[in-house]
Formats: sequence, C-alpha cells, structure tokens
Amino acid sequence: AQSVTQPDIHITVSEGASLELRCNYSYGATPYLFWYVQSPGQGLQLLLKYFSGDTLVQGIKGFEAEFKRSQSSFNLRKPSVHWSDAAEYFCAVGASNTGKLIFGQGTTLQVKP
Amino acid sequence: GAVVSQHPSRVICKSGTSVKIECRSLDFQATTMFWYRQFPKQSLMLMATSNEGSKATYEQGVEKDKFLINHASLTLSTLTVTSAHPEDSSFYICSARALLGLTSSYNEQFFGPGTRLTVL
Repeated sequence: AQSVTQPDIHITVSEGASLELRCNYSYGATPYLFWYVQSPGQGLQLLLKYFSGDTLVQGIKGFEAEFKRSQSSFNLRKPSVHWSDAAEYFCAVGASNTGKLIFGQGTTLQVKP
Repeated sequence: GAVVSQHPSRVICKSGTSVKIECRSLDFQATTMFWYRQFPKQSLMLMATSNEGSKATYEQGVEKDKFLINHASLTLSTLTVTSAHPEDSSFYICSARALLGLTSSYNEQFFGPGTRLTVL
C-alpha cells in the first residue's frame, strides 16, 4: 500500500541552525514526491517537487530535498533556518495515474530566537 | 500562474443547514479537482476526486450524500455539506490538477487557501 511517513511530529531548532525534516515513502513505482508548507489557517504552498532526473532538487525559500531510492526517502533540508520558517511541513507522494496525493502526518517546525 | 481560490474562506452555520464551498482555478483549466478535509493539527485527508463532467469519486468512508460535489466546468468545483452537524466542522481544502500540456506540472496539484467551516 502507498504511504508516507514523517517520523518527527515536532521539531524545534534555533534560528540560523540547519534543518532536516525526514520523509519516507512506500510506493510501487517511481514516485512523484512533494514537500508543502502550511502556515496556521492557510492552504498549502509547494516548496519543491521531484518527478525525475537530478535527485537533489532545489525549492523556494532556500529549501532543498534529496531523493534516495535505496532508502525510500525524500528528506527536506535548509542550511540556515529563519524565524519565518516556523510552520507545518507535509511530505506527499503522488500517483501518476490518478493524480492523487498521499500526505504524511506532518512535522511542526518551531524556531527558537 | 496556477492560482486556485476558495469561497468562502470562513463560514459559520447552524446545525441542519447546508453549506456550499466553491473552488475555482483562476488562470488555468483543471481536468481534476480534489477535496480534502483537515482536522486541527492533523494531515490532509482526501475526501473525493472531482472530474469535469462526471460524477465524483469518493474515498472510502466518505458519505457521498453528505458531501455533494459538482464539477460543472473546467474551472469550478463545488462541495456542498448537506444537513451539517457540529462534527462536520473542519478545514476544507481543494486542489486542482492542470490539463496535460498546459504546464510542465501535470502531476502537480495547486491548492486553494482553504475554507474554515464551523457548525453550531
């Protein structure tokens, strides 16, 4: 069955520190992978996506993610976190035939001053 | 480009009434729109897939008579919560998938800002 796991429910980092949010997926074929960010009471904003090609993808706001097929992972990274990055982050895998997205449980990022 | 709007952004209604939420793709045509429900501090749960001109496909456990979906055009889908009850209170988010070839993001969904429904 298709699934997405974000092992960390809540992460706190200091402003300026590096960040890595974990995402593991289970999918039978080559996955389409996404990272979204959601601020309270808002919709989802796409940070980055992986469809094919270079396994290291760059996104908006200084985020990047690396697709590792052998580990079934698509971890999100940022070298230096800003206070405005505090939000909820969702990893998702997309089914190429139906277009459906399966979301992970989400990781809440808190940034300490 | 690829903007999706939802209306209303927030609605409060009395128990037993029906509420309609609109989802519009503003600058592209969407063959498929998706409706999600999100409970506080939880992830998005797909409720149904809406295809223009055909009946919506509902996920297991979602009552199709409770949550009526209409996708009358390539830019508009509506979700009607019928006979709403307090347990229907939630954050409803729609997304739209673009027609193949119009963008390089065929497999990408573009999300609306969400609608907060509160049923008293």
